[in-house]
Amino acid sequence: AQSVTQLDSQVPVFEEAPVELRCNYSSSVSVYLFWYVQYPNQGLQLLLKYLSGSTLVKGINGFEAEFNKSQTSFHLRKPSVHISDTAEYFCAVSRYRGSTLGRLYFGRGTQLTVWP
Amino acid sequence: GAGVSQTPSNKVTEKGKYVELRCDPISGHTALYWYRQSLGQGPEFLIYFQGTGAADDSGLPNDRFFAVRPEGSVSTLKIQRTERGDSAVYLCASSLIGGTSTDTQYFGPGTRLTVL
Repeated sequence: AQSVTQLDSQVPVFEEAPVELRCNYSSSVSVYLFWYVQYPNQGLQLLLKYLSGSTLVKGINGFEAEFNKSQTSFHLRKPSVHISDTAEYFCAVSRYRGSTLGRLYFGRGTQLTVWP
Repeated sequence: GAGVSQTPSNKVTEKGKYVELRCDPISGHTALYWYRQSLGQGPEFLIYFQGTGAADDSGLPNDRFFAVRPEGSVSTLKIQRTERGDSAVYLCASSLIGGTSTDTQYFGPGTRLTVL
């Protein structure tokens, strides 16, 4: 089975400060890793994904994430946030192979609030 | 360039009633997914269609839930004898190929179902 833990339900930060949103996963098989963002009244939008290769993945809007296999983590970072980054962020995994290909397993989400 | 659309955006019904939720995927996408997002939780997988057929329906919670995609495009999620516990946001996603975990899923804005 797969599970995703987002350790912080809410992260408040001031504008232009750096931020890290934490994600840990557990899985009995190899997985792909994703971060999605959900702005108010909008659908989930893919920020970035790790499939293979370099463990540092760059996404849209200046976000990046680092895959750490030994720590089973995929933390999301941004060096300087903007008020427009205020949204809910979801970490997700999907399996390499097996009968549930394509199915995404999501964490509970982290609400990032950026204050002026 | 239309994205995934879902109708209605909000649905309020009474316990025991039947509801239908509609999803229009991105044109040309063969794979379609339904997820359910309860308050304070991440999205949970319900069902995945490859073309017209349900390739994986193992996430449907019970036999009150049913989904169809008769022409391989629009999909309808049907819930019979609704219960208060069915209240959630129902999300639809589509992807170009399906059957692979590397394919990006594009999400609609969701339908918020409230069962009184």
